[in-house]
Amino acid sequence: SQELEQSPQSLIVQEGKNLTINCTSSKTLYGLYWYKQKYGEGLIFLMMLQKGGEEKSHEKITAKLDEKKQQSSLHITASQPSHAGIYLCGADRLSYNTDKLIFGTGTRLQVFP
Amino acid sequence: NAGVTQTPKFQVLKTGQSMTLQCAQDMNHEYMSWYRQDPGMGLRLIHYSVGAGITDQGEVPNGYNVSRSTTEDFPLRLLSAAPSQTSVYFCASSFDRGNQPQHFGDGTRLSIL
Repeated sequence: SQELEQSPQSLIVQEGKNLTINCTSSKTLYGLYWYKQKYGEGLIFLMMLQKGGEEKSHEKITAKLDEKKQQSSLHITASQPSHAGIYLCGADRLSYNTDKLIFGTGTRLQVFP
Repeated sequence: NAGVTQTPKFQVLKTGQSMTLQCAQDMNHEYMSWYRQDPGMGLRLIHYSVGAGITDQGEVPNGYNVSRSTTEDFPLRLLSAAPSQTSVYFCASSFDRGNQPQHFGDGTRLSIL
């Protein structure tokens, strides 16, 4: 089973609408990262959350890590076409005692005018 | 600040050829890694390094070599290219091994004919 589950897998929204992407871990997270990947490009680091209850915002994107540190949500307010891409959550290596990053399955976001 | 720089961006090889994918970072990061991204398989760790002179294998190391003679550079060598190595390769770096976000390069798209 996937260690980091993201939902939904894909999302199509009209420009201006709000949306939320969820990331659920099977283990307690020492750190949770959100990345964005534009089609055909590399991963862009968005935010890192470390403490339960922590919330960070960057422009119109807000991410939160729940108190029990096993789930995170990414909320986009008033979506724009520039928000389109694949959003990936990633768990710190310490969370799963591994040398590799663990990534979620990804959420593909499309924003139409 | 250039971040993580990968070259080339695209490459086409014939089966049996060898080549080196270059990766350089200017953030004085100790930890560097190579991933390959294939459809439906997410990111898989090939090799990683925790500092100059130290490298180790990841999930899928066969057919690849790495070296880390300086903190800045972490080249990935394909010894004898095979069609199964057609993929998008990402180099990433972070300040240290744990609890730090990784910064990714833009990727190298490699096709083996």
